[in-house]
Amino acid sequence: ELQLVESGGGLVQPGGSLRLSCAASGFSFTTSWMRWVRQAPGKGLEWVANIKGDGSERNYLGSVEGRFTISRNNAENSLYLHMNSLRADDTAVYYCAKELSYSADLWGQGTLVTVSS
Amino acid sequence: QSALTQPPSVSGSPGQSVTISCTGTSSDVGGYNRVSWYQQFPGTAPKLIIYEVTNRPSGVPDRFSGSKSGNTASLTISGLQAEDEAVYYCSSYRSYSTYVSGTGTMVTVL
Repeated sequence: ELQLVESGGGLVQPGGSLRLSCAASGFSFTTSWMRWVRQAPGKGLEWVANIKGDGSERNYLGSVEGRFTISRNNAENSLYLHMNSLRADDTAVYYCAKELSYSADLWGQGTLVTVSS
Repeated sequence: QSALTQPPSVSGSPGQSVTISCTGTSSDVGGYNRVSWYQQFPGTAPKLIIYEVTNRPSGVPDRFSGSKSGNTASLTISGLQAEDEAVYYCSSYRSYSTYVSGTGTMVTVL
């Protein structure tokens, strides 16, 4: 079954760190570009980062570059988002998604990250 | 990073057609045929309904269609059904290997 399952969200203080995980199944993970997309409460979708299948290329939203790192472990069919120096405006549901021709055709259920003191 | 501009809401009666616009710039919508559209119901993940401006993924009804002219892309829902009531987002590839999304449009079936 095609599936993406995120985990790792939670409450973190401003300036703190968090690592999100995404477990993939049912498709060729190794050859798939993958991305993270977030959605702040009551707001629209915002692309955060993506990574090529072999991990050789990564791209970031300007406001997270230098604070967030996208990575993957193809042996474990897993995608990660390492988030440092978290700010209140990083509060959102974070989705992992598989890419298809410059779009996202498979999404996880999302994991909520709340940055607050 | 400026979002793509969409109307906040559109509405129509069952069976009618509605069109949602998505306006960007020559650095995103106008510069590439890499516009996609997503449907989102409350509390659920988005679902891809159009990619590369006009292509529908398998399983998406053909009443959904996409087009583009200049810096504006459009999603048309023909033969509107009650189950189409949702929020719709456009997204486009943007220069320097990034992506930008639209502000979102609520479709209401009267």
